[in-house]
Amino acid sequence: AQSVTQLGSHVSVSEGALVLLRCNYSSSVPPYLFWYVQYPNQGLQLLLKYTSAATLVKGINGFEAEFKKSETSFHLTKPSAHMSDAAEYFCAVSDHNAGNMLTFGGGTRLMVKP
Amino acid sequence: EPEVTQTPSHQVTQMGQEVILRCVPISNHLYFYWYRQILGQKVEFLVSFYNNEISEKSEIFDDQFSVERPDGSNFTLKIRSTKLEDSAMYFCASSEPRSQETQYFGPGTRLLVL
Repeated sequence: AQSVTQLGSHVSVSEGALVLLRCNYSSSVPPYLFWYVQYPNQGLQLLLKYTSAATLVKGINGFEAEFKKSETSFHLTKPSAHMSDAAEYFCAVSDHNAGNMLTFGGGTRLMVKP
Repeated sequence: EPEVTQTPSHQVTQMGQEVILRCVPISNHLYFYWYRQILGQKVEFLVSFYNNEISEKSEIFDDQFSVERPDGSNFTLKIRSTKLEDSAMYFCASSEPRSQETQYFGPGTRLLVL
């Protein structure tokens, strides 16, 4: 079985500060990992994905994430937060042996202070 | 840019009634999924669908639920006799053959069962 843990259900940063959203996973097979963002009253938008190529993955809106197998982590970072980054962020792991089902973490709500 | 669409955006129904949630996946995608998110909880996998049959389903996806691809464009989720606990946001997603693991989500249908 797979699982995802996102430490911190709420993270608050100042505009221009580093964003770090934490994700740890458990998987019995080499994982495919994803970050999705959900803006208020919208669906889930793919930010970036790791599918066993480069361990440092760049996504949209200046976000990136690094896959660290030894730490079973896939933390999301952005060097400088913008007000428009305020949203809920979900980490997910894919089980390609089970119909590609995604298992999501509980989400982290990012707040950006002016 | 192609996107997954869902209708209706909101649905209110009485307990025991049947509801059909509709999705139009991205046109060249062949893998289809339904997820749900109960308010304040994680996004949960319901079912995956490929080649006109269910690939995988979760424990949530019991006999009250069914999925169908009635034509070349729509993908539907039917709940036969809704319960109060079916109230949730329902997300449809789709993925393409070359990149099955990468799922693109629709904006969701918010279902309220009274």
